[in-house]
Amino acid sequence: ETGVTQTPRHLVMGMTNKKSLKCEQHLGHNAMYWYKQSAKKPLELMFVYSLEERVENNSVPSRFSPECPNSSHLFLHLHTLQPEDSALYLCASSQDREGLGPLHFGNGTRLTVT
Amino acid sequence: DAKTTQPTSMDCAEGRAANLPCNHSTISGNEYVYWYRQIHSQGPQYIIHGLKNNETNEMASLIITEDRKSSTLILPHATLRDTAVYYCIDGGFNTNAGKSTFGDGTTLTVKP
Repeated sequence: ETGVTQTPRHLVMGMTNKKSLKCEQHLGHNAMYWYKQSAKKPLELMFVYSLEERVENNSVPSRFSPECPNSSHLFLHLHTLQPEDSALYLCASSQDREGLGPLHFGNGTRLTVT
Repeated sequence: DAKTTQPTSMDCAEGRAANLPCNHSTISGNEYVYWYRQIHSQGPQYIIHGLKNNETNEMASLIITEDRKSSTLILPHATLRDTAVYYCIDGGFNTNAGKSTFGDGTTLTVKP
C-alpha cells in the first residue's frame, strides 16, 4: 500500500507517440519528484517540484516535459522518445517544502519504447 | 556519483539479524542518514533515518557512529521478505544540497 499512486504501471510506446505518466500523492506533501531507473543503474533524479514550482531539472532532454498542476499531482509528458529511454519511472514526494525528509515512492511506470 | 559506499551484496540466514554497513565519510553536520529498500519491481520504501543518535522503529534499528562517518542498519530478525536492495543516502533532498544520489546499494539475500 502506498500513499503515492502512479499510472499506468506499464506502458509500451513507439518513438513517434505522445504519452503521459501520472502521479498522485495522498500524503499532503509539498515536494514531488521524478526519477528514472534504468536496468542495472542507480536511480537518477530527473525533476524536482516544490510547492508546484520546478526547482530542479537535471539536464533532462526536452522530450521529457514535467507538469505539476497542484501539490498532489505530477505528470511526465513524453514525446519522440528513444529506445534508451526504456526504464522504470518513479515518482516520489516528501513533506518538507525544501525537500527534506523521507521520500515516499510510488511503484513506478515500466516504460518500453519500441 | 553517490556520496555513500556500501557492500555490493550480503547474505543472511532467516531469523538472524542482518547488519548492513554504510560509509558516508563526507556527510556534513546538518545532513541526515536515510535508509531505503527496493524490492524487485517496486518503488523504494523508506525504512529509517537519523542525524546522530541511534534510532529504532518497527522495521529496523539504525546505529550511527560518533563521528557520523558510518552507520549500520539492523534488521533484527530477517525474513525472506526482507530480500531487497538496501540504499543508504546522506543528506536531505533539499535542492540547495543538490543531488543526494542513490548508489548501487547492497543486495541483501535472506536464505531459509
